[in-house]
Amino acid sequence: AQSVAQPEDQVNVAEGNPLTVKCTYSVSGNPYLFWYVQYPNRGLQFLLKYITGDNLVKGSYGFEAEFNKSQTSFHLKKPSALVSDSALYFCAVRDKGNTGFQKLVFGTGTRLLVSP
Amino acid sequence: EAQVTQNPRYLITVTGKKLTVTCSQNMNHEYMSWYRQDPGLGLRQIYYSMNVEVTDKGDVPEGYKVSRKEKRNFPLILESPSPNQTSLYFCASSSYGGMAAGAKNIQYFGAGTRLSVL
Repeated sequence: AQSVAQPEDQVNVAEGNPLTVKCTYSVSGNPYLFWYVQYPNRGLQFLLKYITGDNLVKGSYGFEAEFNKSQTSFHLKKPSALVSDSALYFCAVRDKGNTGFQKLVFGTGTRLLVSP
Repeated sequence: EAQVTQNPRYLITVTGKKLTVTCSQNMNHEYMSWYRQDPGLGLRQIYYSMNVEVTDKGDVPEGYKVSRKEKRNFPLILESPSPNQTSLYFCASSSYGGMAAGAKNIQYFGAGTRLSVL
Protein backbone atom coordinates (compact mmCIF):
# COMPACT_ATOMS: atom_id res chain seq x y z
CA ALA A 1 0.00 0.00 0.00
CA GLN A 2 1.08 3.53 -0.67
CA SER A 3 1.83 5.83 2.21
CA VAL A 4 3.19 9.26 3.05
CA ALA A 5 4.86 10.54 6.17
CA GLN A 6 5.02 14.05 7.53
CA PRO A 7 7.80 14.04 10.10
CA GLU A 8 6.99 17.39 11.69
CA ASP A 9 3.88 18.05 13.72
CA GLN A 10 4.50 21.77 13.60
CA VAL A 11 6.65 24.21 11.67
CA ASN A 12 7.27 27.74 12.92
CA VAL A 13 8.52 30.46 10.61
CA ALA A 14 8.65 34.23 10.68
CA GLU A 15 6.73 36.22 8.11
CA GLY A 16 8.81 36.94 5.05
CA ASN A 17 11.09 33.96 5.55
CA PRO A 18 11.03 30.90 3.29
CA LEU A 19 9.08 27.91 4.53
CA THR A 20 9.34 24.18 3.95
CA VAL A 21 6.86 21.53 5.03
CA LYS A 22 8.28 18.05 4.64
CA CYS A 23 6.72 14.94 3.17
CA THR A 24 8.24 11.60 2.26
CA TYR A 25 6.48 8.84 0.39
CA SER A 26 6.55 5.11 0.05
CA VAL A 27 4.98 3.76 -3.12
CA SER A 28 5.25 1.01 -5.64
CA GLY A 29 5.32 2.36 -9.14
CA ASN A 30 5.00 6.01 -10.05
CA PRO A 31 3.63 8.21 -7.29
CA TYR A 32 0.73 10.60 -7.67
CA LEU A 33 1.31 13.10 -4.87
CA PHE A 34 -0.82 15.94 -3.54
CA TRP A 35 -0.75 18.76 -1.04
CA TYR A 36 -3.91 20.01 0.65
CA VAL A 37 -4.35 22.86 3.13
CA GLN A 38 -6.92 23.13 5.89
CA TYR A 39 -7.74 26.53 7.33
CA PRO A 40 -9.53 26.71 10.70
CA ASN A 41 -13.15 25.54 10.51
CA ARG A 42 -12.81 24.81 6.82
CA GLY A 43 -12.53 21.71 4.68
CA LEU A 44 -9.36 20.73 2.90
CA GLN A 45 -8.41 22.70 -0.18
CA PHE A 46 -6.29 21.38 -3.01
CA LEU A 47 -2.92 23.16 -3.38
CA LEU A 48 -1.00 21.22 -5.98
CA LYS A 49 -0.20 17.80 -7.34
CA TYR A 50 2.60 15.88 -8.98
CA ILE A 51 1.86 13.21 -11.55
CA THR A 52 4.70 13.36 -14.00
CA GLY A 53 6.95 15.88 -15.69
CA ASP A 54 8.84 18.69 -14.02
CA ASN A 55 10.06 17.97 -10.54
CA LEU A 56 9.08 21.47 -9.39
CA VAL A 57 5.33 21.83 -9.25
CA LYS A 58 3.67 25.21 -8.80
CA GLY A 59 0.35 25.52 -7.04
CA SER A 60 -2.09 27.92 -5.46
CA TYR A 61 -1.25 30.87 -3.18
CA GLY A 62 2.41 30.96 -4.26
CA PHE A 63 3.21 27.47 -3.01
CA GLU A 64 5.37 25.00 -4.87
CA ALA A 65 6.58 21.50 -4.19
CA GLU A 66 9.71 19.69 -5.21
CA PHE A 67 9.52 16.04 -6.17
CA ASN A 68 12.75 14.19 -5.42
CA LYS A 69 12.75 10.58 -6.52
CA SER A 70 16.11 9.65 -5.02
CA GLN A 71 15.07 10.94 -1.60
CA THR A 72 11.42 9.85 -2.01
CA SER A 73 10.33 13.30 -0.91
CA PHE A 74 7.73 15.84 -1.93
CA HIS A 75 8.38 18.90 0.23
CA LEU A 76 6.10 21.90 0.11
CA LYS A 77 7.80 25.27 -0.17
CA LYS A 78 7.12 28.96 -0.37
CA PRO A 79 9.79 31.64 -0.83
CA SER A 80 8.20 34.18 1.53
CA ALA A 81 5.71 33.15 4.21
CA LEU A 82 2.61 35.15 5.11
CA VAL A 83 0.77 35.14 8.42
CA SER A 84 -2.30 34.05 6.46
CA ASP A 85 -0.44 30.84 5.45
CA SER A 86 -0.88 29.58 9.01
CA ALA A 87 -2.91 26.39 8.63
CA LEU A 88 -2.77 22.61 8.71
CA TYR A 89 -1.08 21.06 5.69
CA PHE A 90 -1.61 17.51 4.48
CA CYS A 91 0.47 15.52 2.05
CA ALA A 92 -1.39 12.72 0.25
CA VAL A 93 -0.73 9.96 -2.24
CA ARG A 94 -3.12 8.26 -4.60
CA ASP A 95 -3.68 4.60 -3.89
CA LYS A 96 -5.89 1.89 -5.27
CA GLY A 97 -8.99 1.08 -3.23
CA ASN A 98 -10.61 -2.29 -2.72
CA THR A 99 -12.42 -2.27 -6.04
CA GLY A 100 -9.53 -0.83 -8.02
CA PHE A 101 -10.60 2.78 -7.90
CA GLN A 102 -8.58 5.57 -6.45
CA LYS A 103 -8.43 6.81 -2.94
CA LEU A 104 -6.22 9.34 -1.25
CA VAL A 105 -3.98 8.27 1.60
CA PHE A 106 -3.15 11.22 3.80
CA GLY A 107 -0.26 11.99 6.08
CA THR A 108 -0.85 13.02 9.67
CA GLY A 109 -0.65 16.71 8.89
CA THR A 110 1.78 19.51 9.75
CA ARG A 111 0.65 22.67 11.45
CA LEU A 112 2.34 25.75 10.02
CA LEU A 113 2.54 28.82 12.25
CA VAL A 114 3.77 32.04 10.68
CA SER A 115 4.56 34.75 13.19
CA PRO A 116 4.38 38.47 12.33
CA GLU B 1 -20.37 28.23 -6.99
CA ALA B 2 -18.92 24.73 -6.83
CA GLN B 3 -19.63 23.34 -3.39
CA VAL B 4 -19.69 20.29 -1.19
CA THR B 5 -22.19 20.94 1.58
CA GLN B 6 -22.31 19.00 4.81
CA ASN B 7 -24.95 19.21 7.51
CA PRO B 8 -24.92 19.61 10.38
CA ARG B 9 -21.61 21.32 11.06
CA TYR B 10 -21.71 20.42 14.75
CA LEU B 11 -23.53 17.60 16.46
CA ILE B 12 -23.60 16.32 20.02
CA THR B 13 -25.44 13.08 20.60
CA VAL B 14 -25.62 10.15 22.98
CA THR B 15 -24.50 6.57 22.57
CA GLY B 16 -26.88 4.48 20.50
CA LYS B 17 -28.99 7.25 19.02
CA LYS B 18 -29.04 6.87 15.25
CA LEU B 19 -27.86 9.86 13.27
CA THR B 20 -27.29 10.88 9.67
CA VAL B 21 -24.80 13.41 8.32
CA THR B 22 -25.79 14.67 4.93
CA CYS B 23 -23.46 15.54 2.06
CA SER B 24 -24.42 17.15 -1.20
CA GLN B 25 -22.33 18.34 -4.16
CA ASN B 26 -23.36 20.52 -7.07
CA MET B 27 -20.53 19.63 -9.48
CA ASN B 28 -22.11 16.51 -11.01
CA HIS B 29 -19.21 14.46 -9.67
CA GLU B 30 -19.33 10.69 -9.91
CA TYR B 31 -16.96 9.98 -7.04
CA MET B 32 -17.78 10.79 -3.43
CA SER B 33 -16.08 9.80 -0.22
CA TRP B 34 -16.27 10.13 3.55
CA TYR B 35 -13.25 10.65 5.80
CA ARG B 36 -12.75 11.04 9.48
CA GLN B 37 -9.98 13.21 10.89
CA ASP B 38 -8.41 12.42 14.24
CA PRO B 39 -5.38 14.06 15.88
CA GLY B 40 -2.16 12.31 14.97
CA LEU B 41 -3.90 10.05 12.45
CA GLY B 42 -4.64 12.42 9.60
CA LEU B 43 -7.65 11.63 7.44
CA ARG B 44 -8.84 8.08 7.04
CA GLN B 45 -11.35 6.99 4.45
CA ILE B 46 -14.59 5.48 5.76
CA TYR B 47 -16.58 4.73 2.60
CA TYR B 48 -16.57 5.83 -0.97
CA SER B 49 -18.90 5.71 -3.94
CA MET B 50 -18.03 5.56 -7.60
CA ASN B 51 -21.53 6.43 -8.77
CA VAL B 52 -25.20 5.96 -7.97
CA GLU B 53 -25.82 2.67 -6.16
CA VAL B 54 -22.07 1.86 -6.19
CA THR B 55 -20.40 2.07 -2.79
CA ASP B 56 -17.51 0.34 -1.10
CA LYS B 57 -15.65 0.26 2.19
CA GLY B 58 -12.64 2.40 2.88
CA ASP B 59 -10.09 1.83 5.61
CA VAL B 60 -12.30 2.34 8.67
CA PRO B 61 -15.88 1.37 7.77
CA GLU B 62 -16.93 -0.31 11.02
CA GLY B 63 -19.95 1.33 12.62
CA TYR B 64 -20.89 3.35 9.53
CA LYS B 65 -23.26 2.98 6.60
CA VAL B 66 -23.69 4.98 3.45
CA SER B 67 -26.09 5.17 0.54
CA ARG B 68 -25.95 6.73 -2.91
CA LYS B 69 -29.45 6.93 -4.33
CA GLU B 70 -28.80 10.18 -6.17
CA LYS B 71 -25.64 11.41 -7.79
CA ARG B 72 -25.44 14.59 -5.75
CA ASN B 73 -26.06 13.11 -2.28
CA PHE B 74 -23.97 10.76 -0.17
CA PRO B 75 -25.23 10.57 3.43
CA LEU B 76 -23.22 8.98 6.23
CA ILE B 77 -25.28 6.97 8.69
CA LEU B 78 -24.31 5.96 12.21
CA GLU B 79 -26.88 3.38 13.28
CA SER B 80 -25.66 3.14 16.87
CA PRO B 81 -23.01 5.76 17.57
CA SER B 82 -20.35 5.08 20.16
CA PRO B 83 -17.87 7.44 21.86
CA ASN B 84 -15.00 6.21 19.66
CA GLN B 85 -16.82 7.74 16.71
CA THR B 86 -16.31 11.20 18.16
CA SER B 87 -14.36 12.86 15.38
CA LEU B 88 -14.29 15.44 12.62
CA TYR B 89 -15.92 14.13 9.45
CA PHE B 90 -15.36 15.30 5.90
CA CYS B 91 -17.21 14.52 2.72
CA ALA B 92 -15.36 14.89 -0.58
CA SER B 93 -16.16 14.57 -4.25
CA SER B 94 -14.26 14.44 -7.51
CA SER B 95 -15.05 14.09 -11.16
CA TYR B 96 -13.40 10.72 -11.62
CA GLY B 97 -12.19 8.04 -9.31
CA GLY B 98 -10.24 5.87 -11.65
CA MET B 99 -6.56 5.06 -11.66
CA ALA B 100 -5.90 6.15 -15.25
CA ALA B 101 -2.92 8.37 -15.79
CA GLY B 102 -5.07 11.23 -16.99
CA ALA B 103 -7.51 11.17 -14.09
CA LYS B 104 -7.73 14.52 -12.38
CA ASN B 105 -8.16 12.97 -8.95
CA ILE B 106 -8.61 16.37 -7.30
CA GLN B 107 -11.05 16.03 -4.46
CA TYR B 108 -13.24 18.85 -3.22
CA PHE B 109 -14.04 18.80 0.47
CA GLY B 110 -16.94 19.96 2.55
CA ALA B 111 -16.39 22.19 5.59
CA GLY B 112 -16.62 19.27 8.00
CA THR B 113 -18.95 17.96 10.69
CA ARG B 114 -17.69 17.85 14.24
CA LEU B 115 -19.42 14.98 16.02
CA SER B 116 -19.33 14.29 19.75
CA VAL B 117 -20.85 11.06 21.05
CA LEU B 118 -21.38 11.07 24.81
